[in-house]
Amino acid sequence: NAGVMQNPRHLVRRRGQEARLRCSPVKGHSHVYWYRQLPEEGLKFMVYLQKENIIDESGMPKERFSAEFPKEGPSILRIQQVVRGDSAAYFCASSPVRRRSGEGFDGQETQYFGPGTRLLVL
Amino acid sequence: SQQGEEDPQALSIQEGENATMNCSYKTSINNLQWYRQNSGRGLVHLILIRSNEREKHSGRLRVTLDTSKKSSSLLITASRAADTASYFCATAPSNTNAGKSTFGDGTTLTVKP
Repeated sequence: NAGVMQNPRHLVRRRGQEARLRCSPVKGHSHVYWYRQLPEEGLKFMVYLQKENIIDESGMPKERFSAEFPKEGPSILRIQQVVRGDSAAYFCASSPVRRRSGEGFDGQETQYFGPGTRLLVL
Repeated sequence: SQQGEEDPQALSIQEGENATMNCSYKTSINNLQWYRQNSGRGLVHLILIRSNEREKHSGRLRVTLDTSKKSSSLLITASRAADTASYFCATAPSNTNAGKSTFGDGTTLTVKP
């Protein structure tokens, strides 16, 4: 009964290289979220995906960042041409299918977080 | 101030004492969640309180929600050294079907043995 898995746990890249972060959600969860955390700060939302769809990418930088959650396989957060400011911990969370109650969805479901990937850009 | 803002920023207490952390937010919410993060680790979900609930308990945790004041509090009773961690509240606004959570910068709790 594995939880959310992320790999790698630590990633070192030089400026200009690409970083690929992977997230395998809890089995049966179809919703994935990516967050970024800078030192001494809280998590900042980046993107919310369902299988093969981006639902909300309002927190994603417009350039260099992309995310996908294919039908098969893990969700990928891709950062192209990394810069030092990209150094941070990147957390993935997953949640089950959201229940509909009353007039709409029952707000956020509990999100289960992975251990994070710590990206260091040299 | 940002949505989901915790205070105090840091709290230091002796083992056995109670710890109270507060969270304020700005927009209407469906529910509010509290998470714990140990240094260098991921987040652990502690408790979810819905907008129509006022108080919720889980073990040594007690969470209150006051939607009129747009605030929540997390109380940890009989604290232990193992409770040392950062605690975050997370909110999702009620006017959207999106699932994103907005986190504050957290309260860093230190429990001295």
